[in-house]
Amino acid sequence: KAGVTQTPRYLIKTRGQQVTLSCSPISGHRSVSWYQQTPGQGLQFLFEYFSETQRNKGNFPGRFSGRQFSNSRSEMNVSTLELGDSALYLCASSLTGVNTEAFFGQGTRLTVV
Amino acid sequence: DQQVKQNSPSLSVQEGRISILNCDYTNSMFDYFLWYKKYPAEGPTFLISISSIKDKNEDGRFTVFLNKSAKHLSLHIVPSQPGDSAVYFCAAINAGGTSYGKLTFGQGTILTVHP
Repeated sequence: KAGVTQTPRYLIKTRGQQVTLSCSPISGHRSVSWYQQTPGQGLQFLFEYFSETQRNKGNFPGRFSGRQFSNSRSEMNVSTLELGDSALYLCASSLTGVNTEAFFGQGTRLTVV
Repeated sequence: DQQVKQNSPSLSVQEGRISILNCDYTNSMFDYFLWYKKYPAEGPTFLISISSIKDKNEDGRFTVFLNKSAKHLSLHIVPSQPGDSAVYFCAAINAGGTSYGKLTFGQGTILTVHP
């Protein structure tokens, strides 16, 4: 059974640009969550989607947005990039997004210059 | 406000011995807990979980203990192997509420197992 797939693995963008990251969950999983990992803040929750609906959102500015498609694949978009957005972005999939195990992808390393 | 805390930034253990990683939480609404292992530049790998209705869960070399009254959980690895060297994260979720998909993570503990 294939795991969680995130693309691309690495990205370098310039301040002010926008970026879209993609996540394909484990087959049958309907919940996809996104996290940002930085050395200073650790793993921070961005948002969660289930059946194409955002059910939960963390404390991030509106520049961070996402969506989920009918096949459960999800995308995350960051607009007007800032240097502080440089981080490892992780996607996690689970069956329900509640009391079940969440499985993470390899992450996308975003560097903003 | 750090709701999940791993107070030991690092732990060093000899191969074959027991590794004990600790985690404390402050939010009494958390009712499902997970441990993850992470290598640099990779996503966390799920290890083991425990529901708040249990006080122990075992899976091979890994055992998680939960003390609800103390709001404390621990991960025991027996016997420890050099391949276990990684960063270990404790995570919690309010499964009974509306915290859909939101795992709250501790800061992590770097485990080094020496041959």
